[in-house]
Amino acid sequence: AQKITQTQPGMFVQEKEAVTLDCTYDTSDPSYGLFWYKQPSSGEMIFLIYQGSYDQQNATEGRYSLNFQKARKSANLVISASQLGDSAMYFCAMREYNSGAGSYQLTFGKGTKLSVIP
Amino acid sequence: DAGVIQSPRHEVTEMGQEVTLRCKPISGHDYLFWYRQTMMRGLELLIYFNNNVPIDDSGMPEDRFSAKMPNASFSTLKIQPSEPRDSAVYFCASSPGQGSTDTQYFGPGTRLTVL
Repeated sequence: AQKITQTQPGMFVQEKEAVTLDCTYDTSDPSYGLFWYKQPSSGEMIFLIYQGSYDQQNATEGRYSLNFQKARKSANLVISASQLGDSAMYFCAMREYNSGAGSYQLTFGKGTKLSVIP
Repeated sequence: DAGVIQSPRHEVTEMGQEVTLRCKPISGHDYLFWYRQTMMRGLELLIYFNNNVPIDDSGMPEDRFSAKMPNASFSTLKIQPSEPRDSAVYFCASSPGQGSTDTQYFGPGTRLTVL
């Protein structure tokens, strides 16, 4: 079973509108972290936002916010007031304890390609 | 503050040649990771180091791949001999720790093409 599921291969949003990128995860570890990264066409991976499994409030970073619904195991990224520069691939990732490796490991989803339309 | 630095940014080589990718982690970060990204398999962890010591290399695909970290500020990923199926983007990342809350910061990646 996939650890991280991003069901939207591609999304379109009008400039200045808000958009939600979906992410669901699967873990039995009570302590885990959820991350979102942005990968523009230039290729670099840019860290956007983090949510801890014990955090009571949803994380926010500027125009980015994370809609964390623990019971549903979802961690959707919300981008408000979309800009043309937001066009990129977005990856959801989870950090959980891997007992086989004896350490926390980061697992990525397959990504969502967001296109912002002027 | 400088981020993770990787070189070269692009590498084109012929099958059978040796390829060496380089990485300088963020100063003070104790963990360094090497990832490979392809369209088919997405992002895969190849190996990671803690305080210059390799901890988990279970993601290294074959013996043709090797990684070293001779000091806290430098790591290499070597492929010898290279094959066309090694063509991918290779990322180096570093983090201050390896707990559930520690963020990994990625370098710009090296795009490798093996002809």
